[in-house]
Amino acid sequence: GQNIDQPTEMTATEGAIVQINCTYQTSGFNGLFWYQQHAGEAPTFLSYNVLDGLEEKGRFSSFLSRSKGYSYLLLKELQMKDSASYLCAVRDSNYQLIWGAGTKLIIKP
Amino acid sequence: ETGVTQTPRHLVMGMTNKKSLKCEQHLGHNAMYWYKQSAKKPLELMFVYNFKEQTENNSVPSRFSPECPNSSHLFLHLHTLQPEDSALYLCASSPGPEGNTGELFFGEGSRLTVL
Repeated sequence: GQNIDQPTEMTATEGAIVQINCTYQTSGFNGLFWYQQHAGEAPTFLSYNVLDGLEEKGRFSSFLSRSKGYSYLLLKELQMKDSASYLCAVRDSNYQLIWGAGTKLIIKP
Repeated sequence: ETGVTQTPRHLVMGMTNKKSLKCEQHLGHNAMYWYKQSAKKPLELMFVYNFKEQTENNSVPSRFSPECPNSSHLFLHLHTLQPEDSALYLCASSPGPEGNTGELFFGEGSRLTVL
C-alpha cells in the first residue's frame, strides 16, 4: 500500500530552527508538496519538490531525496505565527495525491 | 483569502436530516475537489470534478452526493449521515486536472457534527 509518515507533533522555541521529516512509499513519484494549515483555516501551499535537492523560500526550505523516499521541511527563525499543522503529500504515478496525517508544530516563547 | 469560499462553516445535523455544503471558487479553475479531514488522519479525497464532469469517486457512501452545476460551484448533499461522518469537509480547486505543479487551493472547510 501507499504510505506517508510524518511525526504527529513537534515543539520548538521561538527564534530557533525546526526540521519536519516526511518519508513516503508510493506507487511512483510525480512530486512532493508541503502545505501549512493553521487551526480552523484552509491548508495553504508552501512548497513543491520534484527533483532531488533543496528548495529555499525565505525562512522555509524543503528538501527531497527520491532514492531515500524522504523529504524535510526546514523552518528557520521561528515565529509564533508558525504554530500550525504541516501536511506532506506525494503525487503518485497516477497523479493522485497521497497525504500524510500532518505534523502539529507548537512554538513556545 | 484563498479564493475558495465554503458555506456553512459549521453544521450540526441529526442522522435523519438532509443538508448541503456549498463551495464557490473565484479563481477560474477547472477542477474542484471534496476532501474529508478527520483528526490525526490524512486527508481523504472524496470526489473530483474536471470541467464539471465527475472523474473520481473514491468509494464514498451514497449518503454523500456531489453536484457540480458549473466549474465555479460545487455542492455536497448530505442525507442520513452517521456520527462517524463528523469531520471537517474541505473543498479545493486547481487550474486543471494536474495543474502546472498540482497546487491545490483550499477553502476553510465546513465543520460537520452528526448527532
